[in-house]
Amino acid sequence: RKEVEQDPGPFNVPEGATVAFNCTYSNSASQSFFWYRQDCRKEPKLLMSVYSSGNEDGRFTAQLNRASQYISLLIRDSKLSDSATYLCVVNGGLGQAGTALIFGKGTTLSVSS
Amino acid sequence: ETGVTQSPTHLIKTRGQQVTLRCSSQSGHNTVSWYQQALGQGPQFIFQYYREEENGRGNFPPRFSGLQFPNYSSELNVNALELDDSALYLCASSKDRANTGELFFGEGSRLTVL
Repeated sequence: RKEVEQDPGPFNVPEGATVAFNCTYSNSASQSFFWYRQDCRKEPKLLMSVYSSGNEDGRFTAQLNRASQYISLLIRDSKLSDSATYLCVVNGGLGQAGTALIFGKGTTLSVSS
Repeated sequence: ETGVTQSPTHLIKTRGQQVTLRCSSQSGHNTVSWYQQALGQGPQFIFQYYREEENGRGNFPPRFSGLQFPNYSSELNVNALELDDSALYLCASSKDRANTGELFFGEGSRLTVL
């Protein structure tokens, strides 16, 4: 089982749509959770941290279910500028990886007008 | 900009050669992590350095090695290059080795192995 698994993409949605990304992680000892965004041929950048109680940042809502080892990201009212790859990230790697941040493969979102 | 700088930005090597990639961390950050990102994949963790010592390693062979210097800058060395080593190599710095906060990435070094 991969350490961090994400929905396979791509997601192609029209402007204004609501889209949800799902992610599961394998290490129950993980303590920190994030969503990063990566634009084409650019470096990843933090979109938002994910807290146990769930958290919202404008049009973006992140949820964490520790029992199911599941993380989600909801984007409401999609904009053209939301087109990017969204990376699910978890710390607390397995074995010798220590507390490194482990990235999922990413899910690509394309928003069209 | 994050303040993390990497060099070179692009390079081409041939199989069997060796390469050194460099990274300057953001001011105030004592932890540097290196990632390999192949086309269409997420960043894969190579290793992390905290105060000049390796502090975690991913599933990469020993021909991937690194260093961190007293000013917290870092190098990634890859020996005996293979075609599959072609990728974007990303350096990231953070304030704490537990990685509870944000990682700040450089723009990466794009390596092509022929």
